[in-house]
Amino acid sequence: QQQVKQSPQSLIVQKGGISIINCAYENTAFDYFPWYQQFPGKGPALLIAIRPDVSEKKEGRFTISFNKSAKQFSLHIMDSQPGDSATYFCAASRSYGQNFVFGPGTRLSVLP
Amino acid sequence: DAGVIQSPRHEVTEMGQEVTLRCKPISGHDYLFWYRQTMMRGLELLIYFNNNVPIDDSGMPEDRFSAKMPNASFSTLKIQPSEPRDSAVYFCASSPPPGIGAYNEQFFGPGTRLTVL
Repeated sequence: QQQVKQSPQSLIVQKGGISIINCAYENTAFDYFPWYQQFPGKGPALLIAIRPDVSEKKEGRFTISFNKSAKQFSLHIMDSQPGDSATYFCAASRSYGQNFVFGPGTRLSVLP
Repeated sequence: DAGVIQSPRHEVTEMGQEVTLRCKPISGHDYLFWYRQTMMRGLELLIYFNNNVPIDDSGMPEDRFSAKMPNASFSTLKIQPSEPRDSAVYFCASSPPPGIGAYNEQFFGPGTRLTVL
């Protein structure tokens, strides 16, 4: 019930293309769904996050789509750039201050 | 703000030795988290503190691991004795109180890469 599944494990996209990463969760008590971006040798950093009261959130080229009934959420990166090449983690938590459950990560490579 | 500070950045030790990892959270943050990252297991939460008090240590793998937070600006993760399977990157993260900054955002440090030979 605590698990967050993430796919694909790795993704290769051409510059300018759309990158899509999907996550699914089981625990309906989760109420916060962030995406973290991690570059090699660095700690993860918050990219964008959503709460279940909205179905979509957009920040620049990054969009989260959230489907509460299906217990799924996804990250879309529009106009992908080589600088977006990183590992992306989805996560979920139950309430403020509670620990995150992280997905296994997706390694994105954007080819120039 | 300097962000979350971790030391050392790299640690190489021999099996059986004691290892101490250190973390200074962002000033004003009242939650502190210790994670371990490996290729096989991804990002795992080991323990987290709120106002210097351990809240959940169910992720600590075994009694060889211990964590302390003696004050709001310092925490340690200790492994004694260390084993080769403890080799991983250990991250510390901190989070602000409710109402400050983005909801539930965790700020990660740069990590400590531990190698146990």
